[in-house]
Amino acid sequence: KNQVEQSPQSLIILEGKNCTLQCNYTVSPFSNLRWYKQDTGRGPVSLTIMTFSENTKSNGRYTATLDADTKQSSLHITASQLSDSASYICVVSAANDYKLSFGAGTTVTVRA
Amino acid sequence: ETGVTQTPRHLVMGMTNKKSLKCEQHLGHNAMYWYKQSAKKPLELMFVYSLEERVENNSVPSRFSPECPNSSHLFLHLHTLQPEDSALYLCASSQDLASYEQYFGPGTRLTVT
Repeated sequence: KNQVEQSPQSLIILEGKNCTLQCNYTVSPFSNLRWYKQDTGRGPVSLTIMTFSENTKSNGRYTATLDADTKQSSLHITASQLSDSASYICVVSAANDYKLSFGAGTTVTVRA
Repeated sequence: ETGVTQTPRHLVMGMTNKKSLKCEQHLGHNAMYWYKQSAKKPLELMFVYSLEERVENNSVPSRFSPECPNSSHLFLHLHTLQPEDSALYLCASSQDLASYEQYFGPGTRLTVT
């Protein structure tokens, strides 16, 4: 069964600090991995997408990494801002399957 | 904005009520999806439509009834719901089923009393 596990479930950081979120998956055969940001009361919005051959992808202060051998990904947030407070969801696609596998998300709270 | 809109944004209904959720996408996509999002749980796929044909009915109780009159609109009709059905219901669309990029609407926060 395709599964996506995220850790931690939630975290609190001070504004300006960095943090790293983790995602482990068992989806096979692997196609791509996305990180979504979901603000409170909003739908998820894609931050990054990585395929098998990519191991790093950046979007502003967000940097995602992928290790396809160990089936792990991370999302690093640099110099956090209050607007980074949101839920971050790891989503993995299997080849030839339109169904996505979702993690439960990590809730990030940035405090001034 | 993602190009996917949902109405209403919030809905409170009793267990004997009948209501409908509406989703509209302005992206020219051919596939549309309904998801249920409960607190601290992964999104659960409920229904999938491709070119207005239902291709997935993920063991969803019959008290949820989808309708896709055209490729731009998707409805979720609700009747005799249970309190455990309270959740955020998200609509999404993609260019087609082969496209992994799904665009999500803002969701409808449903509370069943």
